[in-house]
Amino acid sequence: GAVVSQHPSWVICKSGTSVKIECRSLDFQATTMFWYRQFPKQSLMLMATSNEGSKATYEQGVEKDKFLINHASLTLSTLTVTSAHPEDSSFYICSADRGGSKNIQYFGAGTRLSVL
Amino acid sequence: SQKIEQNSEALNIQEGKTATLTCNYTNYSPAYLQWYRQDPGRGPVFLLLIRENEKEKRKERLKVTFDTTLKQSLFHITASQPADSATYLCALDMRYNKLIFGAGTRLAVHP
Repeated sequence: GAVVSQHPSWVICKSGTSVKIECRSLDFQATTMFWYRQFPKQSLMLMATSNEGSKATYEQGVEKDKFLINHASLTLSTLTVTSAHPEDSSFYICSADRGGSKNIQYFGAGTRLSVL
Repeated sequence: SQKIEQNSEALNIQEGKTATLTCNYTNYSPAYLQWYRQDPGRGPVFLLLIRENEKEKRKERLKVTFDTTLKQSLFHITASQPADSATYLCALDMRYNKLIFGAGTRLAVHP
């Protein structure tokens, strides 16, 4: 149990275009979903925390107009990278928390974004 | 701010030996400390969680210790196998529903 699906796994886009990444919890309802960014050989950097039906909470330094997060239901959250530029190229990973006292997070497989 | 240190150098060990990975943190102790495994190009997978009032936790060939005095957690894999080769991340749960991750230590188990 606790499977999180993330799509697409890999995307290449032109500079200036927008890219949407989906994150779904397949067999549980996620009280909270998280979006991370990871550079090679570096730790996961939390970008934002989203709860269903409310606005996402962004970490300091993350542009909310650049990285739009929509948490439409208890099983789906989307991250849209708007007007992407080459510096946005990275590995984006979502995770979901099924609630309870232990904040165990279940991760998607990640999305490799390359902006040309 | 809270900092987490994991050995950035890869750990190379022989199959069958015990691998020991270290996670050190600064400032205040977390409510929980978690360990995840991450394979190249994949998302992390949860392995073990240990509470601040627990000294040790085991799961099959895995063992985690937590010393809040030293501000350190050790992660052990006994009877290691080549399939255990991956990057292992420690994460601190600071009680406000967010995890802070270390950069991870890459483990390579050689036949």
